[in-house]
Amino acid sequence: QLLESGGGLVQPGGSLRLSCAASGFTFSTYAMTWVRQAPGKGLDWVSSINDSGDGTFYADSVKGRFTVSRENFKNTVYLQMNSLRVDDTAVYYCARGPFYGSGRDPYDASDFWGQGTMVTVSS
Amino acid sequence: SYELTQPPSVSVSPGQTARITCSGDALPKTFAYWYQQKSGQAPVLVIYEDNNRPSGIPERFSGSSSGTMATLTISGAQVEDEADYYCYSTDSSANRGVFGGGTKLTVL
Repeated sequence: QLLESGGGLVQPGGSLRLSCAASGFTFSTYAMTWVRQAPGKGLDWVSSINDSGDGTFYADSVKGRFTVSRENFKNTVYLQMNSLRVDDTAVYYCARGPFYGSGRDPYDASDFWGQGTMVTVSS
Repeated sequence: SYELTQPPSVSVSPGQTARITCSGDALPKTFAYWYQQKSGQAPVLVIYEDNNRPSGIPERFSGSSSGTMATLTISGAQVEDEADYYCYSTDSSANRGVFGGGTKLTVL
């Protein structure tokens, strides 16, 4: 199971930290990914982090503003979002990425997702 | 930048075969994955690595890939298969994931 939290309403230029708590699998052996979906729009890959946390990957649209991290002892992955813009408004999903021994890149496809948390950037 | 292109919509009658395509220049070198998203729900993986079905996904869902095009086929589509479908692949040159724009499947 994946349970996102931390969404809400924030003004443009503000910050928000999303959390995703995992259970039911060995968290430390999987990459994790964040995907977002703006209202009425399609899915948009945002960021991925490898199993150990020392490899991070970002979409160009969030590079330099968002930071992904994880605490394996807490089974939790985070997305720190700074300098938020109106077009960051979306449901943010966390998803389980590839197993560390699979040979696949951390940003490869995810096999299951949380239910998402809504982030609204508006003045 | 690398893109995956899908038709915006596909419509079939119940029991017919629905085919949703996804085109991308890197697909000959990378796998395609397919997600189903029903209204108000999180996406669900229905096909992985071009043509494999996760456990619990009905056998009517199948995938194929040839050259720069991947195809999701739903044989004998059911009303409950109405959803948005997204293809996904990776752009290793830019270390990122890429979604197609999504296809709305209507079954009625």
